[in-house]
Amino acid sequence: EADIYQTPRYLVIGTGKKITLECSQTMGHDKMYWYQQDPGMELHLIHYSYGVNSTEKGDLSSESTVSRIRTEHFPLTLESARPSHTSQYLCASSELSGVEKLFFGSGTQLSVL
Amino acid sequence: SQELEQSPQSLIVQEGKNLTINCTSSKTLYGLYWYKQKYGEGLIFLMMLQKGGEEKSHEKITAKLDEKKQQSSLHITASQPSHAGIYLCGADRSGNTPLVFGKGTRLSVIA
Repeated sequence: EADIYQTPRYLVIGTGKKITLECSQTMGHDKMYWYQQDPGMELHLIHYSYGVNSTEKGDLSSESTVSRIRTEHFPLTLESARPSHTSQYLCASSELSGVEKLFFGSGTQLSVL
Repeated sequence: SQELEQSPQSLIVQEGKNLTINCTSSKTLYGLYWYKQKYGEGLIFLMMLQKGGEEKSHEKITAKLDEKKQQSSLHITASQPSHAGIYLCGADRSGNTPLVFGKGTRLSVIA
């Protein structure tokens, strides 16, 4: 069973607020990812990290930032939330080997009013 | 344009029936992954295919990757309500890049 946790599970906030979505894994995985998913749409990669102090932007243009200070922790921050940020955010991790077997968290459903 | 096309977009089958979901890539794949997602939840890994012509099975689910490594199919035999969910294929382009996902196929199984 996957040991990757996301909090909060649901979040409703007003426009302009700063928010941080938390993601932690206890599997010691080096690789971690943030995907954004809208209903009926594919997952879009917004950030990823292959190790501590290493982060990269994904394909989806995003106003979010991430940090990787510890192996197990990969938080996503939105400095000023907007209604266009309303979506499901999924965190995932995998081992450093070439096989991309991802373990996913349960997701954070974000609604910006 | 979509890198990965999945078909059908949605599928309703009667319990006990067989079904097939397809995933077609516009580019050659290094690896092809199948995941299942329950509504509002994260994805669960099903299986991975890397070699052209490869076929893998787990319980009543079989996945195949064609020889050219640009198309995969997922076949479920004797479907059950527990098979309901969204099935997504993910493409690994080079062996060390994040997966690109299709839009998924929503499967409903009715009694």
